[in-house]
Amino acid sequence: KAGVTQTPRYLIKTRGQQVTLSCSPISGHRSVSWYQQTPGQGLQFLFEYFSETQRNKGNFPGRFSGRQFSNSRSEMNVSTLELGDSALYLCASSLQGVDSPLHFGNGTRLTVT
Amino acid sequence: AQSVTQLDSHVSVSEGTPVLLRCNYSSSYSPSLFWYVQHPNKGLQLLLKYTSAATLVKGINGFEAEFKKSETSFHLTKPSAHMSDAAEYFCVVSENNNNDMRFGAGTRLTVKP
Repeated sequence: KAGVTQTPRYLIKTRGQQVTLSCSPISGHRSVSWYQQTPGQGLQFLFEYFSETQRNKGNFPGRFSGRQFSNSRSEMNVSTLELGDSALYLCASSLQGVDSPLHFGNGTRLTVT
Repeated sequence: AQSVTQLDSHVSVSEGTPVLLRCNYSSSYSPSLFWYVQHPNKGLQLLLKYTSAATLVKGINGFEAEFKKSETSFHLTKPSAHMSDAAEYFCVVSENNNNDMRFGAGTRLTVKP
């Protein structure tokens, strides 16, 4: 069974631009959640989608948004990029949600200059 | 809301000696507890999960963790460290009545030859 796939692997953007990250979950998994990982703040939960509905959202500004499609693939969008948005963005899928085992992708490393 | 504290940011052991990574949690409800491992430039991989079935949980690669409610702890152990165990380890708590989760700050495990 294929694992969680995140694209692109690396991304460089400039301040003020917007970016869209993609995540393809394991087949059959309906929950997709997103996380930001930085050296200063560690791992932080962004949001979780289940069957195309956002079920929960972490403490991030509205510039961070996401969506999930009918095939469970998910995208995360960050608008008006700031230098502090530079991070490793991880996506995870699971059968039922964040209290069931998560399967993580290798992440997208975003650098904002 | 739930929270989790990993008591050591860095643990260093010699190959073949025991590993102890400490985690304390706080939760208002019956929590689910997880340990994940992250190797450099990779996503997280589930080591083990506690969900109240048994207090001693066995995971992959020889790791196990014991849930102690009276001490609100969920420490991760391994009898004999291997060089390939060198990585970052995250303790995670999730409450079963919501779709949120909290990561510990992580413990970096170094294994010396």
